[in-house]
Amino acid sequence: LAKTTQPISMDSYEGQEVNITCSHNNIATNDYITWYQQFPSQGPRFIIQGYKTKVTNEVASLFIPADRKSSTLSLPRVSLSDTAVYYCLVGDPISSGSARQLTFGSGTQLTVLP
Amino acid sequence: ETGVTQSPTHLIKTRGQQVTLRCSSQSGHNTVSWYQQALGQGPQFIFQYYREEENGRGNFPPRFSGLQFPNYSSELNVNALELDDSALYLCASSLDGGSAGELFFGEGSRLTVL
Repeated sequence: LAKTTQPISMDSYEGQEVNITCSHNNIATNDYITWYQQFPSQGPRFIIQGYKTKVTNEVASLFIPADRKSSTLSLPRVSLSDTAVYYCLVGDPISSGSARQLTFGSGTQLTVLP
Repeated sequence: ETGVTQSPTHLIKTRGQQVTLRCSSQSGHNTVSWYQQALGQGPQFIFQYYREEENGRGNFPPRFSGLQFPNYSSELNVNALELDDSALYLCASSLDGGSAGELFFGEGSRLTVL
């Protein structure tokens, strides 16, 4: 399982764009990169997933360079409610009956200030 | 809301006791995985059940066991509780082979061992 490294914490202000970078130097060919968001005392919530280049959905963008050894989650115009822990995970999402063990690191605590 | 429900939400046990936690997966999902999240840490994979069979296990001792029922709901059982078992226990459901690889987490069961 590919190990990931993220900053422990980040601070931002409301309305700013936030970029959280994750390193995954030993990512495998079949691995996808997935980001989850977690609020205190709640289960993690899927944000976005990608394999290469750029993926965008209604809440975030995910940038993955050609070597795929890192990825950057971009949150546009954050608000106070975006204060949460963000986890970067690497793994093969297509399990077809085999265990899909996700390895969560310690995540990045994002604090959005007014 | 993910459609994954867990019970109980909170419980207190004493060392040496046994506990059973329950999870109802999202409708149509045939795979359930369980995670342990200690305070300040990321979730750690315990095991996964696919169509009533355990098909993957993390680094947890045998006193952590589980079941998946024909309706795909699941139980996590922990015997001989230890103080370090105090944690948030998260259940996640998914449809194996799904296109997005997204896991849907419940809100968790907070276990305190005294």
